[in-house]
Amino acid sequence: AQSVTQLGSHVSVSEGALVLLRCNYSSSVPPYLFWYVQYPNQGLQLLLKYTTGATLVKGINGFEAEFKKSETSFHLTKPSAHMSDAAEYFCAVSFNNNDMRFGAGTRLTVKP
Amino acid sequence: DTEVTQTPKHLVMGMTNKKSLKCEQHMGHRAMYWYKQKAKKPPELMFVYSYEKLSINESVPSRFSPECPNSSLLNLHLHALQPEDSALYLCASSQEFSWEAFFGQGTRLTVV
Repeated sequence: AQSVTQLGSHVSVSEGALVLLRCNYSSSVPPYLFWYVQYPNQGLQLLLKYTTGATLVKGINGFEAEFKKSETSFHLTKPSAHMSDAAEYFCAVSFNNNDMRFGAGTRLTVKP
Repeated sequence: DTEVTQTPKHLVMGMTNKKSLKCEQHMGHRAMYWYKQKAKKPPELMFVYSYEKLSINESVPSRFSPECPNSSLLNLHLHALQPEDSALYLCASSQEFSWEAFFGQGTRLTVV
């Protein structure tokens, strides 16, 4: 079965520390992969996407993610967390032109 | 213009009321989506329109009725809702089905 899993429902980091949010998928076909961010009471904003080509993808706000086929992962990273990064982050996967599926989400807290 | 506009932003309705949520995009996207999001949960897909035709209905109760009058507009008609239908309703669009989706800010619906 095709699925997407986000490890850790809540991640807390100090301001300036590395941010690592984990996403793994299960699929028999190459997926399209996305990371979205959601601030309270707002819609989702696309951070970055992987479709084909370069496996290291750079997005907005200093975030990047690397597609690792061998590990079926698409983890999101940012070298230095900022207070404004505190939000809910969703990994999403689209399989073989079927509907997009979202992971359960990871709430990022940034401590001063 | 890279926006998806949803109206109203907030809606309170009684269980016997009829109301409609509206969504508009002018990016030339051919796929439009309705999602329902409960607190601290990922968005759940409700409906997908592709080229103005309903292509996915995720077993949504008939008290929710989607409509796509043209390629830029998407409506969600609500009738006889239940309190458990209270949620954030998100509209999204993408260039093609399952490509990166652009989300609106959502309508916060409360059923009393």
